[in-house]
Amino acid sequence: EPEVTQTPSHQVTQMGQEVILRCVPISNHLYFYWYRQILGQKVEFLVSFYNNEISEKSEIFDDQFSVERPDGSNFTLKIRSTKLEDSAMYFCASSVYAVSLYFGPGTRLTVT
Amino acid sequence: QQQVKQSPQSLIVQKGGISIINCAYENTAFDYFPWYQQFPGKGPALLIAIRPDVSEKKEGRFTISFNKSAKQFSLHIMDSQPGDSATYFCAATEETSGSRLTFGEGTQLTVNP
Repeated sequence: EPEVTQTPSHQVTQMGQEVILRCVPISNHLYFYWYRQILGQKVEFLVSFYNNEISEKSEIFDDQFSVERPDGSNFTLKIRSTKLEDSAMYFCASSVYAVSLYFGPGTRLTVT
Repeated sequence: QQQVKQSPQSLIVQKGGISIINCAYENTAFDYFPWYQQFPGKGPALLIAIRPDVSEKKEGRFTISFNKSAKQFSLHIMDSQPGDSATYFCAATEETSGSRLTFGEGTQLTVNP
C-alpha cells in the first residue's frame, strides 16, 4: 500500500538554525499539507499546497516558514530560524481530493 | 468558531466493551467529519469518516453517529480490543474548499485485556 514518507525521523537543532523537513507524498496525490503536534497536544494545521502554490496557511505559518515542491516527488518544509517553541512532531500529509488525508510517520524536531 | 471539542480526554474500557468518544463543532460550514487513530510514534491514520447527509456510518466495529441539529458526532467502537488502544482524534473540514482539517483534542483509549 502506498504511503507518505518523511525524513529525517528525528532532527535536533540549535535555536536560530535553519531546518528542512522532507516528505515524499503518495505519487498520484494532488494536495499536500504540513501539520504539527506539540507533545501531548492536538494536531494543528500549518499549510496546504495545491497546484504548486500555497492554498491556505494558518496563523502559525509565519514568515519563518516556507514550503516547496522542488521536483515531482518531494515536498519540503523549511523553518528559517528555529525557536524553542518550534519543537514538535511535524507531519506531512497528502490527498487526492483534499479530504481523506494520508499522514506520514512524522519528523520529531527538537530545538535546543 | 473553528474549534472542535472532543471528550473524554481519556477512556479505559474492558475488552469486549463499547468505547464511545464524542465531538462537537460550531462551524456549520463543516461538511466532512473524519476520525483518525494514532499509535505512539506514528502519524494519524484515517479510520472512518462521515458527511452530514447521513446520521450513521458503520465500518466493521467502528460506527460514527452524526447529529446535525446538535452539531455533534461520536465514534463508537464495538467489541473493543487491546489492539484498539491508541489516541483517537475527531476532525472537521469544509470538503469543497480543500480547507484545513480542524482536529479535536484527542482521546487516549486504553482497552484492558
